[in-house]
Amino acid sequence: QVQLVQSGAEVKKPGASVKVSCKASEYTFTGYYFHWVRQAPGQGLEWMGWINPKSGDTKYGQKFQGRVTMTWDTSISTAYMEVSRLRSDDTAVYYCARGLISIVPAAMSFWGQGTLVTVSS
Amino acid sequence: DIQMTQSPSTLSASVGDRVTITCRASRIISSWVAWYQQTPGKAPKLLIYRAASLQSGVPSRFSGSGSGTEFTLTISSLQPDDLATYYCQQYDTYPYTFGQGTKLEIK
Repeated sequence: QVQLVQSGAEVKKPGASVKVSCKASEYTFTGYYFHWVRQAPGQGLEWMGWINPKSGDTKYGQKFQGRVTMTWDTSISTAYMEVSRLRSDDTAVYYCARGLISIVPAAMSFWGQGTLVTVSS
Repeated sequence: DIQMTQSPSTLSASVGDRVTITCRASRIISSWVAWYQQTPGKAPKLLIYRAASLQSGVPSRFSGSGSGTEFTLTISSLQPDDLATYYCQQYDTYPYTFGQGTKLEIK
């Protein structure tokens, strides 16, 4: 069955960068968009953007433009999301999620387990 | 940005009850609305997509409806496993946005 396995928890200082990985298995990696969603402690869900691992196209939420970069490596079926210039309010669980169908718009049907990123001095 | 406003924010109901959660969009959107269920410490799970389509493997007691600016998630007969927080999401317009969540408690 489809699986998305994310990298482990990270602790970073303000101003640093963090790169979270999301390894996909049991489906054609380039066939579906990857979305990234974050959830601050005790808060709701916030969509960050998507990447199309077939074309390399990306779409970022305006809030994240210039500070978030989404990439991929087809050879190892892995998507990445990097956040630079971290601030304390970037402390959150970051999720990758796969689109339900092979195009956008699409709901998010499969989710990684989440990666906690803590930003603290 | 399109705001998605859910009501109620919390809901307490008994096993067997019919439960309805509403999500209102700040402007008219198409049917690109999804509903997710999240239990503590877990990733969200897709329940409904395109406003009314049931995701594969999701129990049939869950259903979605709506159009325009008002969308609903209904649980026809509440089960103990349904204890969770529920989120609506619009994926019609960028940035995609979620409702603030409805926490469902079992009496």
